[in-house]
Amino acid sequence: EVHLVESGGDSVQPGGSLRLSCVASGFTFSNYWMHWVRQVAGKGPVWVSRISSDGTSIAYADSVQGRFTISRDNAKNTLYLEMNSLRAEDTALYSCVKGAPFDDWGQGALVTVSS
Amino acid sequence: EIVVTQSPDFQSVTPREKVTITCRASQNIGGSIHWYQQKPNQSPRLLIKFASQSLSGVPSRFSGSGSGTDFTLTINGLEAEDAATYYCLQSSTLPYTFGPGTKLEIK
Repeated sequence: EVHLVESGGDSVQPGGSLRLSCVASGFTFSNYWMHWVRQVAGKGPVWVSRISSDGTSIAYADSVQGRFTISRDNAKNTLYLEMNSLRAEDTALYSCVKGAPFDDWGQGALVTVSS
Repeated sequence: EIVVTQSPDFQSVTPREKVTITCRASQNIGGSIHWYQQKPNQSPRLLIKFASQSLSGVPSRFSGSGSGTDFTLTINGLEAEDAATYYCLQSSTLPYTFGPGTKLEIK
């Protein structure tokens, strides 16, 4: 059974930084492209970023380009999202998602950006 | 960016009714549309991939159709457990974009 467990969510002030982690199990992590998707309470999901299975191909939504960095450690079965220069509009539940289409989701890590 | 619209926004339906939800993409995306079900406080669940491909574990009352710009999710014989918000996702072109959702309420 696939498990994706996020951690690192927190409450931070505007301009602050956070690093989210997602530990994967139940599948061969190194074979899959992975994504981060965020969702504000009561709203639909929004794609944030994706990384290829070997980490060489990366893409971001325009709204986070230049502020967020996606990475992975296949030896540790872990996906990361480094978030800098956080803004109030980055407040959301961040979920790591396996594959394309997004066939398995984690439960998410809550990020709150507020002064 | 490909914009995906959905209709209706909300529908109140009775059990055993047939439900049709549509998604329209702002440009041709071939068959790269996927359908998700999300219940409160849960992560989205993939129901249909690539417009019409069914998935193991998903009830057979869920089906999908369409290609190009217009797509449909059909629920044949709605059950009470189908109360949820349904989203479509296009994966043809980055950035991947979701529809705004259709909330189904069971009468």
